[in-house]
Amino acid sequence: DTGVSQNPRHKITKRGQNVTFRCDPISEHNRLYWYRQTLGQGPEFLTYFQNEAQLEKSRLLSDRFSAERPKGSFSTLEIQRTEQGDSAMYLCASSPQGGKVYGYTFGSGTRLTVV
Amino acid sequence: DQQVKQNSPSLSVQEGRISILNCDYTNSMFDYFLWYKKYPAEGPTFLISISSIKDKNEDGRFTVFLNKSAKHLSLHIVPSQPGDSAVYFCAASLKNAGGTSYGKLTFGQGTILTVHP
Repeated sequence: DTGVSQNPRHKITKRGQNVTFRCDPISEHNRLYWYRQTLGQGPEFLTYFQNEAQLEKSRLLSDRFSAERPKGSFSTLEIQRTEQGDSAMYLCASSPQGGKVYGYTFGSGTRLTVV
Repeated sequence: DQQVKQNSPSLSVQEGRISILNCDYTNSMFDYFLWYKKYPAEGPTFLISISSIKDKNEDGRFTVFLNKSAKHLSLHIVPSQPGDSAVYFCAASLKNAGGTSYGKLTFGQGTILTVHP
C-alpha cells in the first residue's frame, strides 16, 4: 500500500459542468476526510466518513457538493454546476479509527480549475 | 472565525540557524496540536504533535512548545537545513463526546519557510 491516492491530479472544467474526484485511502484506515485548500490558506475541513457513514459535513459543503463512500473503501466527491469559486486543491486524508491524529495521512490532492 | 492563526506568512533563515514558527489559537477546547509540512504539488505531511496536557515535545531537530495560558504554540527547528524549506501548517483537533480525538483538524494559514545555504 503506497498511501492515500487521489485522482485525477488536475482537472480543468468549464463553469457549470459537473466534476467528480476519487480518493482511495490506506486500506486498513476506516476514517476518510475531505478538505479544500485555496491559495494562501490552510486546508479547510469539508466532510468525514467512518466506514460508509458520513458523520459530519461542514457549512462549506453547499448543496452542489456531495460525497460518498459506498462500501467503506474509496470515496468520491462530486461538485455540480461548478463555479469559479470552486477552484481549489481538494485533499483527501485517511486515518485508523481511534487512532491518534498523527495517524492521519493526506493524499497529494486534486487541483480543480474552473474557467 | 479563524480559530488557528499563523500570523507570519513567511520566514527566512540561514542554514544551521534556528527556525521558529509560531501559531495562536482561540478555542480552549482543542486537545491536540500538530505541525504539518507541505511541499508544492504534494499533500501535507505530519511532522510533530503535542497533547494539550504537555508543554513540550521533541523529535530530533524538531521541538514543539505549547503555552496553554497564552493559547500559543511554536515549532523550533534546530539546526535548519535547506531541505526544510516548505510551507508549515499548524493544526488543532477537538475531542468528541466520547473523549477520543475524532480527527477533524482546524488549520492555520501556513508559513513559508525558506532556509538559505
